[in-house]
Amino acid sequence: ETGVTQTPRHLVMGMTNKKSLKCEQHLGHNAMYWYKQSAKKPLELMFVYSLEERVENNSVPSRFSPECPNSSHLFLHLHTLQPEDSALYLCASSQARSRLDYGYTFGSGTRLTVV
Amino acid sequence: GENVEQHPSTLSVQEGDSAVIKCTYSDSASNYFPWYKQELGKGPQLIIDIRSNVGEKKDQRIAVTLNKTAKHFSLHITETQPEDSAVYFCAARLNSGGSNYKLTFGKGTLLTVNP
Repeated sequence: ETGVTQTPRHLVMGMTNKKSLKCEQHLGHNAMYWYKQSAKKPLELMFVYSLEERVENNSVPSRFSPECPNSSHLFLHLHTLQPEDSALYLCASSQARSRLDYGYTFGSGTRLTVV
Repeated sequence: GENVEQHPSTLSVQEGDSAVIKCTYSDSASNYFPWYKQELGKGPQLIIDIRSNVGEKKDQRIAVTLNKTAKHFSLHITETQPEDSAVYFCAARLNSGGSNYKLTFGKGTLLTVNP
């Protein structure tokens, strides 16, 4: 256990469904991230929240909607996804703006399959 | 923005041999370079990192070297073991004032250690 917990671990959803991915960190970090990992592609940064404010949104389609209610929790709300959205979705956290920043701590990911 | 190139994409070695993975980065303002190991079904885990004021760092069988002039850094694994088999990612972070949170990742190297 890394201190970053993602649920569910696996999710299969139809293109008309609405679902949410959850991420929780117990490390006292102040920044949280969503990454998409597809086969044979580099890690794609989707969203960054720092101090609960969204600071980056890398041209992600509106069918992905993030939510960060507090510094320990991050959600990714999904609706009307496409099969090409099937991937491993990784959450990470870090202590941004700190001289003791040790980089990201990742969760184990949610394996999403869109059918 | 920063761009990170990683080579090779796949690497196969015999148990006991050494493995070297190389990365280059584009922005000379980058100052933090972590390496992550991702095993099957898990998220990436930080294994070693180096900051721009250091040329080399070692932790048991793994070491990282940094050449700031050439803008490249490398991961060295000695006496490889089958459990070292995984995907390895390098990353770089810009020292962009107070927003020092964003890591740019390489595409990953699949390392296979054959018994």
